[in-house]
Amino acid sequence: KQEVTQIPAALSVPEGENLVLNCSFTDSAIYNLQWFRQDPGKGLTSLLLIQSSQREQTSGRLNASLDKSSGRSTLYIAASQPGDSATYLCAVRPRNYGQNFVFGPGTRLSVLP
Amino acid sequence: EAQVTQNPRYLITVTGKKLTVTCSQNMNHEYMSWYRQDPGLGLRQIYYSMNVEVTDKGDVPEGYKVSRKEKRNFPLILESPSPNQTSLYFCASSLGGASYEQYFGPGTRLTVT
Repeated sequence: KQEVTQIPAALSVPEGENLVLNCSFTDSAIYNLQWFRQDPGKGLTSLLLIQSSQREQTSGRLNASLDKSSGRSTLYIAASQPGDSATYLCAVRPRNYGQNFVFGPGTRLSVLP
Repeated sequence: EAQVTQNPRYLITVTGKKLTVTCSQNMNHEYMSWYRQDPGLGLRQIYYSMNVEVTDKGDVPEGYKVSRKEKRNFPLILESPSPNQTSLYFCASSLGGASYEQYFGPGTRLTVT
């Protein structure tokens, strides 16, 4: 069964730093991987979607990479801002488990002014 | 505005009193699903629907029912709620098959006493 983990569980950085969030999954047979942001008490906002055939996707200060063979994805945030403070979740769409999406537990990011 | 809406946003009820949480999307998406989010357990899929009149169980379907009579609506029904169903619930939709991005509703916080 597909399992997704995220490291670190929490991260606190000063404003302006570049940072990397990690996501690992146990089965490389996936359709895609999606990164989300969740603000406290709010829903999930989609950040980036990487198809299994892609290596990376970029949106503004965000860059997500995918190494399917090693079961890893990273989310790179450049020049972090206090407004980036949120929980970041990754989710994979497995090929072998029906239509279920599998989420990681999230990384809680705090960017200090 | 393209969106997924859920109602109610907050609900406090008592054990055994039937309730329905509505979900609606205005993007003509074929795929819809329900998740629950619990501390330490992350997001887990309850049910999903590939299209009208087509529904299937996710990872944690016990105690829940769904229906998909129209493309835009996907209500979640708790016939006899119990305290262990106290959680934050999210509805999501995507255009169609496995390659598409998921869009989430704002969430419904349910408390069962």
